[in-house]
Amino acid sequence: DIQMTQSPSSLSASVGDRVTITCRASQGISNYLAWYQQKPGKVPKLLIYAASTLQSGVPSRFSGSGSGTDFTLTISSLQPEDVATYYCQKYNSVPRTFGGGTKVEIK
Amino acid sequence: QVQLVESGGGVVQPGESLRLSCTGSGFTFSTYTMHWVRQAPGKGLEWVAVTSSDEKYKYYADSVKGRFTISRDNSMNTLYLQMNSLRAEDTAMFYCARADEDGPNRPVAYWGQGTLVTVSS
Repeated sequence: DIQMTQSPSSLSASVGDRVTITCRASQGISNYLAWYQQKPGKVPKLLIYAASTLQSGVPSRFSGSGSGTDFTLTISSLQPEDVATYYCQKYNSVPRTFGGGTKVEIK
Repeated sequence: QVQLVESGGGVVQPGESLRLSCTGSGFTFSTYTMHWVRQAPGKGLEWVAVTSSDEKYKYYADSVKGRFTISRDNSMNTLYLQMNSLRAEDTAMFYCARADEDGPNRPVAYWGQGTLVTVSS
């Protein structure tokens, strides 16, 4: 099975900072990669799919890139409401493995 | 709008069984592939199982294979997860989820609020 590895597992940044989270697949998955945001006590929310396509209604400060095995989620200017845990997930085949998550906090 | 409502969670002892349900509304339930995803307390998301719209294919995570069975009743707009031989490590919030669009290889975009399963003696 393909493993999904996210890094870092947590980060602390200041409001306005550029934040980058990486997700690496153990084998190529083309662009079948989604990013989710889960705020404390809430249900996960789809942010980005097809590695770089922004889901409707998601602020443009979020962006995704990558293909094959290496992917990146970028928050261009961190806002207080972005405090959450972010997960990547492959969806080209089963099992639809999630990454371990990256907890983002405000410094 | 799309709504997914799970039910059936509760506290059970190790080795016991439980059946979760998820009722969908606001969309044509019978045309969508449906998933179960779980999250242990304080832990990350774990994909559990998927069924195609017509139940022709069903797949499971290795951690539940042989113990859990996913099924659906399209006439009732309901998805099920039969969980047998439950273990303490199955303790989690269970979410049912739907893809953003009908078709293969689509990302999950809609989630229920979840139902909590606790396995404890």
